[in-house]
Amino acid sequence: RKEVEQDPGPFNVPEGATVAFNCTYSNSASQSFFWYRQDCRKEPKLLMSVYSSGNEDGRFTAQLNRASQYISLLIRDSKLSDSATYLCVVKYNAGGTSYGKLTFGQGTILTVHP
Amino acid sequence: NAGVTQTPKFRVLKTGQSMTLLCAQDMNHEYMYWYRQDPGMGLRLIHYSVGEGTTAKGEVPDGYNVSRLKKQNFLLGLESAAPSQTSVYFCASTGLAGGTQYFGPGTRLTVL
Repeated sequence: RKEVEQDPGPFNVPEGATVAFNCTYSNSASQSFFWYRQDCRKEPKLLMSVYSSGNEDGRFTAQLNRASQYISLLIRDSKLSDSATYLCVVKYNAGGTSYGKLTFGQGTILTVHP
Repeated sequence: NAGVTQTPKFRVLKTGQSMTLLCAQDMNHEYMYWYRQDPGMGLRLIHYSVGEGTTAKGEVPDGYNVSRLKKQNFLLGLESAAPSQTSVYFCASTGLAGGTQYFGPGTRLTVL
């Protein structure tokens, strides 16, 4: 089983739609959670961190369920510019080390069309 | 402030050839990382460094070596390239353990 699993999609939605991505992780000791965005043939960039209480950044809402080891990202009022691959990322600090290992999901492809 | 830069951007090698990928960051970050990204696999950590003069193995270190002689530079070497090393290589850095990682633009490597 992969440490971080995402539905690869692709998701094809019209402008203005609401779309949700899900992610599950296997390491219950994972400590921090993120969504990164990657445009075609570009580097990943941090979209937002994910907090236990849930958090929102404009049209984007992230949720974390530690009991179910499940992370989600909701995008409201989709724009053409939201077309990208969305990477679910989980951080785990091995005991006694200061290094935080990031584990990436394989990404979910989103295409927003007119 | 250029952030994280990588050279070269593209490279084609023949099996058995060697090369070095250079990563440079101007943010005074302590931590630096090398990843590879393959279709359907996500990013996988090759090697990382927690400071100048230190390196450690990541998830997929075989066939690669690294060096961090200067804080701002992190080099990834392939001593004898194999077709299985065809991939996109990303370098990243962060100032804090587990903090936001800033990625370079990537190097697309093809090994024939």
